[in-house]
Amino acid sequence: DTAVSQTPKYLVTQMGNDKSIKCEQNLGHDTMYWYKQDSKKFLKIMFSYNNKELIINETVPNRFSPKSPDKAHLNLHINSLELGDSAVYFCASSQRRDRGPGGYTFGSGTRLTVV
Amino acid sequence: SQKIEQNSEALNIQEGKTATLTCNYTNYSPAYLQWYRQDPGRGPVFLLLIRENEKEKRKERLKVTFDTTLKQSLFHITASQPADSATYLCALEYAGNTGKLIFGQGTTLQVKP
Repeated sequence: DTAVSQTPKYLVTQMGNDKSIKCEQNLGHDTMYWYKQDSKKFLKIMFSYNNKELIINETVPNRFSPKSPDKAHLNLHINSLELGDSAVYFCASSQRRDRGPGGYTFGSGTRLTVV
Repeated sequence: SQKIEQNSEALNIQEGKTATLTCNYTNYSPAYLQWYRQDPGRGPVFLLLIRENEKEKRKERLKVTFDTTLKQSLFHITASQPADSATYLCALEYAGNTGKLIFGQGTTLQVKP
């Protein structure tokens, strides 16, 4: 029943490792996003996909690579993890913006800790 | 670049009172302004959206105003309850259909019984 589900909820890993976070939405939305929330609680957009097409690619290190196999899934792969990557990563979805505005639906977040 | 300011200090009020949270922004007015609620360890939950040509929007005990002259939005919770205690985030969306939201850092509301 969960509208936007992301896994895992917690991820603890060592520097230099590669990890992935998965996200799935069952709302029929065309647009999906990845946001990062740092220790100061600021939410900043990283990427957005519209029906598998990359729309937004903010200034994010190229160690971060999103992948959207279909419009219901948006995964985030991170190579060579660094201490500064520790944060909470949120997946979200919304209807296409050219169909009118609407709120986002967020997942519950993945808390990534790099040690 | 766009800057959004929400009161970083926690707002403490007594149950039954009206809570008023402020969101100020610089530069250009957004096409839409949204308010979200975030509880500890959870993702933000969408509450209300207001368009730049709307002055006010209501939903049950919630009211949002949008003043593009002052570059400010106010978020009101009337008859507040302890269950309203959470962090409230405002977010701006500009025209262009990218869907990019720019979030403020949020204001934590504590409603005491």
